[in-house]
Amino acid sequence: DTGVSQDPRHKITKRGQNVTFRCDPISEHNRLYWYRQTLGQGPEFLTYFQNEAQLEKSRLLSDRFSAERPKGSFSTLEIQRTEQGDSAMYLCASSLARGQGDTEAFFGQGTRLTVV
Amino acid sequence: QQPVQSPQAVILREGEDAVINCSSSKALYSVHWYRQKHGEAPVFLMILLKGGEQKGHEKISASFNEKKQQSSLYLTASQLSYSGTYFCGTEKGGSYIPTFGRGTSLIVHP
Repeated sequence: DTGVSQDPRHKITKRGQNVTFRCDPISEHNRLYWYRQTLGQGPEFLTYFQNEAQLEKSRLLSDRFSAERPKGSFSTLEIQRTEQGDSAMYLCASSLARGQGDTEAFFGQGTRLTVV
Repeated sequence: QQPVQSPQAVILREGEDAVINCSSSKALYSVHWYRQKHGEAPVFLMILLKGGEQKGHEKISASFNEKKQQSSLYLTASQLSYSGTYFCGTEKGGSYIPTFGRGTSLIVHP
């Protein structure tokens, strides 16, 4: 078990370009979360999957953001037409949920996005 | 809604104790505690479920008062390795999504 892995670790892109990040959760985990973290802040929820179903999406998330989790395994997060305000660390987390409140989440190392 | 953590920062000498508090305006089902070192991913410390259960993890323990919607993290005889930012994540009933506070920065000096 290698934990949650994210790729790439760093991404520098020009404003207006599209970017895609990948997350590979711990293999038996059925829940997958995407969070965004900026300097001095806690992780901010973006979206959440249970198996392949995207069950919730933050109201703060604009239409430029989309996430998928085909076959309930790895997940991708795409940002279209990037803006400087999108610069942040994008964290993926996974958990093996057995019920309400049982969400011990394991985080990946994150993808640091810089939009120039 | 984001839980509120206090204090924002704590500076200690090795061997001293610290308490970090987390409170929410919403009824909570569970509270999660994580530690994040600079440039690294948050690492899970413990989860406390509704019921006021107090849990321990070596010299780090936590309590959860569901009536007050508060949790406290207790660090006893702090070690240099305890330095980092501590986040509480709260989960309200019917949700499966931890919402994190802004964090408490803990610095332990020799």
